[in-house]
Amino acid sequence: DGGITQSPKYLFRKEGQNVTLSCEQNLNHDAMYWYRQDPGQGLRLIYYSQIVNDFQKGDIAEGYSVSREKKESFPLTVTSAQKNPTAFYLCASSIGTSGFGSYNEQFFGPGTRLTVL
Amino acid sequence: GEDVEQSLFLSVREGDSSVINCTYTDSSSTYLYWYKQEPGAGLQLLTYIFSNMDMKQDQRLTVLLNKKDKHLSLRIADTQTGDSAIYFCAVERRSNYQLIWGAGTKLIIKP
Repeated sequence: DGGITQSPKYLFRKEGQNVTLSCEQNLNHDAMYWYRQDPGQGLRLIYYSQIVNDFQKGDIAEGYSVSREKKESFPLTVTSAQKNPTAFYLCASSIGTSGFGSYNEQFFGPGTRLTVL
Repeated sequence: GEDVEQSLFLSVREGDSSVINCTYTDSSSTYLYWYKQEPGAGLQLLTYIFSNMDMKQDQRLTVLLNKKDKHLSLRIADTQTGDSAIYFCAVERRSNYQLIWGAGTKLIIKP
């Protein structure tokens, strides 16, 4: 059964701690994305990766880091430098690299709700 | 800068039509998308429209695109309680081809 998984569903951390959110896909997709969702705001792009061992900053990369060592996996680390880390984090993947005029359906995981106490 | 705007809430009676509107600033998008998010879940693609089309119909869904006014709408006919969700429109950003997302419209169904 192909899909994209995120774990854990809920995560609680103390202020000042780094935390890593997991994202795995078995869809054989090249591209993967991390978004942050806050109430009343659209999805904001944190990082994206179009191929293994390569990733680019999105609109709100400060305080976050990622790695893409395997095609299936794109973990996100929320560092202590992120000023307001409490949010709902969504991981997504798409079949190929984006480019002008290309169809880019993104498939989403169920999300991780991070609460920093 | 590039922006996508949507109203945050829409309330309709069960059985009526729902029309969710979206305006955008970047007109370079080849595809424009509507995604649906159910409570506590990720998003899933609902439908999309190619930029050279004015209208696309898919069962109860109708997408209208007015490129001149940079306006996209999603009409859901015969709205049911199962349509309760947040609906996002997304367009492609010219600078890096990534998607820009609206804030999402929460559709509330009244019995």
